[in-house]
Amino acid sequence: EAQVTQNPRYLITVTGKKLTVTCSQNMNHEYMSWYRQDPGLGLRQIYYSMNVEVTDKGDVPEGYKVSRKEKRNFPLILESPSPNQTSLYFCASSLYQLPNTEAFFGQGTRLTVV
Amino acid sequence: KNQVEQSPQSLIILEGKNCTLQCNYTVSPFSNLRWYKQDTGRGPVSLTIMTFSENTKSNGRYTATLDADTKQSSLHITASQLSDSASYICVVSGIDQAGTALIFGKGTTLSVSS
Repeated sequence: EAQVTQNPRYLITVTGKKLTVTCSQNMNHEYMSWYRQDPGLGLRQIYYSMNVEVTDKGDVPEGYKVSRKEKRNFPLILESPSPNQTSLYFCASSLYQLPNTEAFFGQGTRLTVV
Repeated sequence: KNQVEQSPQSLIILEGKNCTLQCNYTVSPFSNLRWYKQDTGRGPVSLTIMTFSENTKSNGRYTATLDADTKQSSLHITASQLSDSASYICVVSGIDQAGTALIFGKGTTLSVSS
């Protein structure tokens, strides 16, 4: 089954403790991206990757890192999480960053930083 | 500035009734417009995609319209069901300095009650 898998689904952590949210897709998609979703703000792009070893900042990259060492994986790294990073995070992938390609989203990771 | 505005912010209807959700955009140049359905706690799933030349597209009980001249789209849901309760997100593809960009609306939360 074609899917985007994120782990963990839920995470509660303390300020400053490094964490990684994993994302994996099995559709051989070139393009992957991370979004955060906050009430009243909608989905905002954090980082995206157009292919292996190619990453770039989205609209809200501060406090986040990503890597794309393999085509299927695109982990999101929070080196020193802060409470303002409490949010619902989604990973998405698509065949290309072209207008007519559909983005497939993961199930989401709800992160709470205390 | 590229923007997507959705209305209403939230909507409550009775099961079996019809409803229409609105999306206005100022994205230029315009590539396409998608409607996504996001169930609570899950990732968005694409319902329809519309390009510049398309006026109407249906997907079961969902019918999307697009007026490229006025930069407006609507999503009409016929004979609503309890399972239609979700957030509906309008996403417009445009071009910015970095290439193709997805501009997300903040969504309309629909609650269907029995």
